[in-house]
Amino acid sequence: AQSVTQLDSQVPVFEEAPVELRCNYSSSVSVYLFWYVQYPNQGLQLLLKYLSGSTLVKGINGFEAEFNKSQTSFHLRKPSVHISDTAEYFCAVTPSWGAQKLVFGQGTRLTINP
Amino acid sequence: DGGITQSPKYLFRKEGQNVTLSCEQNLNHDAMYWYRQDPGQGLRLIYYSQIVNDFQKGDIAEGYSVSREKKESFPLTVTSAQKNPTAFYLCASSKRGRTGYTFGSGTRLTVV
Repeated sequence: AQSVTQLDSQVPVFEEAPVELRCNYSSSVSVYLFWYVQYPNQGLQLLLKYLSGSTLVKGINGFEAEFNKSQTSFHLRKPSVHISDTAEYFCAVTPSWGAQKLVFGQGTRLTINP
Repeated sequence: DGGITQSPKYLFRKEGQNVTLSCEQNLNHDAMYWYRQDPGQGLRLIYYSQIVNDFQKGDIAEGYSVSREKKESFPLTVTSAQKNPTAFYLCASSKRGRTGYTFGSGTRLTVV
């Protein structure tokens, strides 16, 4: 079975500052990793995913994430945030074989202050 | 444009009643999923279906039922056996492989 821990439930940041949202996972098999963003009362939108290859993955809206297998982490970063980045962010994993069945972390609420 | 449509957006139910949430997709995706979202708990998998006429229980299936008679549709029924049904319900679909999910915009169910 897989599990995901998002280390911060809330992250307040000033506009134009950098941000890192932390995600650790646990799995006995190899996994693929995803980050999603959710705006209030909406569904989730895919930000980026790691399947294989380069461990640094670039996504939409200027976000990127780095897969670290030895530390079982997949932290999300953005060098300069905007007010519009205020949202909840979810890290998720799925086994690399068998049924695609995402397991989500508890979410991190990112609040951008002017 | 292709996508997933969940209806209704808001739903109110009296205790003891069953209620059905609709989920329709026109993405030609094979797999469909239902998740429940509660504050601070992330998303938890209720049921999923990889092909028509087949579905499997997720982590919190008790008090819920589904059907998959058509590729495009995966309705979720919240039965009176579900002890705490007030939540935000999200439907998703995916292609074969590890492409991630496409999500609907959700249904907020409130028991009154």
